[in-house]
Amino acid sequence: DAKTTQPPSMDCAEGRAANLPCNHSTISGNEYVYWYRQIHSQGPQYIIHGLKNNETNEMASLIITEDRKSSTLILPHATLRDTAVYYCIVRNFNYGGATNKLIFGTGTLLAVQP
Amino acid sequence: EPEVTQTPSHQVTQMGQEVILRCVPISNHLYFYWYRQILGQKVEFLVSFYNNEISEKSEIFDDQFSVERPDGSNFTLKIRSTKLEDSAMYFCASSAQGSTNEKLFFGSGTQLSVL
Repeated sequence: DAKTTQPPSMDCAEGRAANLPCNHSTISGNEYVYWYRQIHSQGPQYIIHGLKNNETNEMASLIITEDRKSSTLILPHATLRDTAVYYCIVRNFNYGGATNKLIFGTGTLLAVQP
Repeated sequence: EPEVTQTPSHQVTQMGQEVILRCVPISNHLYFYWYRQILGQKVEFLVSFYNNEISEKSEIFDDQFSVERPDGSNFTLKIRSTKLEDSAMYFCASSAQGSTNEKLFFGSGTQLSVL
């Protein structure tokens, strides 16, 4: 499985953009980058995913470098409710037909400060 | 937005007892998963299920564990003869398809405490 590297923690001021980096230098060409977050032991919540192109939805933007070796999740206007552990996951493509499960790492604890 | 529903939210049991954790996946989804998270640790994959059979399981998912889809809506995880180390938050998830371009939706979890 392609491994991801994330900083263990980050701070962000409320109302400012939060930029969460992720390195995935061993990613393969058909592997998607997913971002989930977990707010205080709740179930992981899907944020966004992408393959090559940058993606944007109502929650966040995902910027993937051209070589696909790293990505950045951007929360444009962080609020206190965005305080959570953010997981960057490279979703392994299994040619054998198995379920292409998500494998969670330790993530980045984002603390949004008032 | 449709949700994955898990019951109960908390379950307390005595060591050696059997427990069944219940999940109602999103109605048109075909792939189902169980994950667990021991306090302070990572979210760990346990098992995936498709077409009424296990697709993949982790090393954690030994003979103590079993899964079942007893009817068209429920998906259950049974833990036989619970041990203290089974205490964890258990998350159910589902996805419409099994491809890597298909997101997983997670439930809010069942906190299992084994005494």
